Amino acid sequence: AQSVTQLDSHVSVSEGTPVLLRCNYSSSYSPSLFWYVQHPNKGLQLLLKYTSAATLVKGINGFEAEFKKSETSFHLTKPSAHMSDAAEYFCVVSDTPGGTSYGKLTFGQGTILTVHP
Amino acid sequence: GAGVSQSPRYKVTKRGQDVALRCDPISGHVSLYWYRQALGQGPEFLTYFNYEAQQDKSGLPNDRFSAERPEGSISTLTIQRTEQRDSAMYRCASSQGGTQYFGPGTRLLVL
Repeated sequence: AQSVTQLDSHVSVSEGTPVLLRCNYSSSYSPSLFWYVQHPNKGLQLLLKYTSAATLVKGINGFEAEFKKSETSFHLTKPSAHMSDAAEYFCVVSDTPGGTSYGKLTFGQGTILTVHP
Repeated sequence: GAGVSQSPRYKVTKRGQDVALRCDPISGHVSLYWYRQALGQGPEFLTYFNYEAQQDKSGLPNDRFSAERPEGSISTLTIQRTEQRDSAMYRCASSQGGTQYFGPGTRLLVL
């Protein structure tokens, strides 16, 4: 079974300050991990994904995440927040039981990021 | 096509009516997924297809929900005898190579 816990439902930062969105996961197999972003009235957009290659993953718009197996974490960071980063962010896990095919995604509850000027 | 498309974008229906939600995946994508997202929640898996074969329907909440993808491309999610609790955003995604690309969703409101 797989599950995801996003530790903060809301995060508020000032423009230009660092962003940290926390995520812990549970997986029976070697997980694939993703971060998706959802802007108001728009679809889900993939920010980045981890699939057992490098543990530090770089994504779009300056975001990155580090896979830490010992801590079962996959926190999302960005050095300097921009107003356009304000959105809802989802941490997502997908089990890959020994193969390369991907099945269903399990989403966290989401973290709403607010960026103040 | 440029991306995953869904129609209608909004659907208002009365309790007891049937609704059909359509998903047009990215051309050539083998896998297609349906998710349901309640307000304030993350999307939850409903079902998925590889080509025309339904591989997993474990997330369908009850037998009023069904999905098909008869020619391995466009998919339809059907909800029979809708209830107010079916109100949600229904999202479709297609994938090739492990990354799922989502459509804009259909927002369903059951009155």
